[in-house]
Amino acid sequence: AQSVTQPDIHITVSEGASLELRCNYSYGATPYLFWYVQSPGQGLQLLLKYFSGDTLVQGIKGFEAEFKRSQSSFNLRKPSVHWSDAAEYFCAVGAHSSASKIIFGSGTRLSIRP
Amino acid sequence: DSGVTQTPKHLITATGQRVTLRCSPRSGDLSVYWYQQSLDQGLQFLIQYYNGEERAKGNILERFSAQQFPDLHSELNLSSLELGDSALYFCASSANGGTGGVFGPEAFFGQGTRLTVV
Repeated sequence: AQSVTQPDIHITVSEGASLELRCNYSYGATPYLFWYVQSPGQGLQLLLKYFSGDTLVQGIKGFEAEFKRSQSSFNLRKPSVHWSDAAEYFCAVGAHSSASKIIFGSGTRLSIRP
Repeated sequence: DSGVTQTPKHLITATGQRVTLRCSPRSGDLSVYWYQQSLDQGLQFLIQYYNGEERAKGNILERFSAQQFPDLHSELNLSSLELGDSALYFCASSANGGTGGVFGPEAFFGQGTRLTVV
């Protein structure tokens, strides 16, 4: 069965500290992987995506993610967080054939400590 | 700004009532997707339309229906509303209708309509 697991419901980091949000997936075929961010009162915004090629993917707002097939993981990282990064982050996995088949994780809420 | 517009932003209605949520996709996008986000269910795919035709169905209740008009905007109709229907309803659009292609399956989301059923 296809699934996405974000094991951390809520993470708090200090401003300026590094960040890693975990995402593990189960998918029968080669997955297409995404990270979305949802700021309070806003819709989801695509941070980055992985389809193929280089397993280290650069996204917007200084985020990057690394695809590790052997670990079925696609963790999101940022070297130094800013207060404006406080939001909910969703990992998602899908098939190329249709966005309707994207499965979202349950999300990780990120709080920033001043 | 994703380019996807949803109206209204907030809606409060009573149980048993019917409401219509509206979505205008990004210019040029042919696919519209509806999602429901609730605290207990997370983000759930409801239905997809592509160029006016239903393309895929997810966890959409029979009390809910949707359509996509010739100008590509879409409406989600929710009827016989229950307290449990209170949620954030997102619309998303993409260029890809599910047949593959260079755009990939990413979708661009609107800001959502927060529905509160009282």
